[in-house]
Amino acid sequence: DAKTTQPPSMDCAEGRAANLPCNHSTISGNEYVYWYRQIHSQGPQYIIHGLKNNETNEMASLIITEDRKSSTLILPHATLRDTAVYYCIVRVVYNTDKLIFGTGTRLQVFP
Amino acid sequence: GAVVSQHPSRVICKSGTSVKIECRSLDFQATTMFWYRQFPKQSLMLMATSNEGSKATYEQGVEKDKFLINHASLTLSTLTVTSAHPEDSSFYICSARVPGDRGNTIYFGEGSWLTVV
Repeated sequence: DAKTTQPPSMDCAEGRAANLPCNHSTISGNEYVYWYRQIHSQGPQYIIHGLKNNETNEMASLIITEDRKSSTLILPHATLRDTAVYYCIVRVVYNTDKLIFGTGTRLQVFP
Repeated sequence: GAVVSQHPSRVICKSGTSVKIECRSLDFQATTMFWYRQFPKQSLMLMATSNEGSKATYEQGVEKDKFLINHASLTLSTLTVTSAHPEDSSFYICSARVPGDRGNTIYFGEGSWLTVV
């Protein structure tokens, strides 16, 4: 089972920041938080990941709370092409090291 | 950056036949690849973990004799859907872990649409 909960859908105006929340209250100390997005009929695209510090790259910023029980993905200036399903995933680090997907958040960016 | 490629992107096959989907890591060696299935408007469901040089590990409820996985080299894993039926029609996606990357990031292929008629 997925270890994260996300709102099923969100809207965002083009040009504004999109803030996507994720709860992972049972995260373990050595588990990373990963974010992927899936545009319709394509494979998931890696966005960003982090352990406990905030992270930023050319796509987004990841804010992880101090207790690591939740995080927020920030798209600073959303565009129409950012419309997708966004998945927050806690990396299950066993010997097979696999990603288990939850239901994600469907982000709709409107003009 | 790391790239994972799948082929074919779309395939139609007749009921009862078998179809093979390839997953390649293009600029890195992948000792482990993962196969997912996704039905319309649903999330990705992990089917199996493909390990180079050894047998795949299947998730509970996935028929290993129906979904044959072969990981014969460090850059290629194949998924063969045997005796396909219309209910096997789905979007199949593979992924691979980049070794040595911070946190061992996993990248996904473009996906393969299978339609069984």
